[in-house]
Amino acid sequence: DAGVIQSPRHEVTEMGQEVTLRCKPISGHNSLFWYRQTMMRGLELLIYFNNNVPIDDSGMPEDRFSAKMPNASFSTLKIQPSEPRDSAVYFCASSLGLAGTHEQFFGPGTRLTVL
Amino acid sequence: AQSVTQPDIHITVSEGASLELRCNYSYGATPYLFWYVQSPGQGLQLLLKYFSGDTLVQGIKGFEAEFKRSQSSFNLRKPSVHWSDAAEYFCAVGSGGYNKLIFGAGTRLAVHP
Repeated sequence: DAGVIQSPRHEVTEMGQEVTLRCKPISGHNSLFWYRQTMMRGLELLIYFNNNVPIDDSGMPEDRFSAKMPNASFSTLKIQPSEPRDSAVYFCASSLGLAGTHEQFFGPGTRLTVL
Repeated sequence: AQSVTQPDIHITVSEGASLELRCNYSYGATPYLFWYVQSPGQGLQLLLKYFSGDTLVQGIKGFEAEFKRSQSSFNLRKPSVHWSDAAEYFCAVGSGGYNKLIFGAGTRLAVHP
């Protein structure tokens, strides 16, 4: 298995632009997570899907952020409009079960820079 | 509220020396406990996890961790550190009806030759 696939690996954009990050989870996994990692705030869970349904989106910073999981093999995280404070590494992870009990497999991350 | 504390932000050890990374958790029920490692420029990888049974858990890369309920701790150990162990280490606890994983702030390990 190729593991969790994220694209793009690097994204540089200007403030106000729309950014879309993509994730393909490991086949057969039924939970998907989006995290954001910064030096200041560490690793933060943004949203958690189980069987394509959002279970916990309390970590989504504000309405500028949205996430979708149209099917079991694809998810997107969109930021519109982007701001410099959104600069971070965004990780997607997937697992076979609940967030708190099963191993999460992380993708390589997308490094986002908003100028 | 559930929480995870990793008291040490940075630790430096010499190659070949022993290592212990501390982790304290706050959780009312029986916790699921995890240690993850993040090498530079990569995502997190599971080292080991504990839920029940033997309180000394063996993981990958020669790591082990011991669950101590009385101390609410789940410290990670390795008897002899290799230069390739330089990374950031995260302790985590499953909570919220096991529908949430709470990560600690991480401990960055540097290894001197």
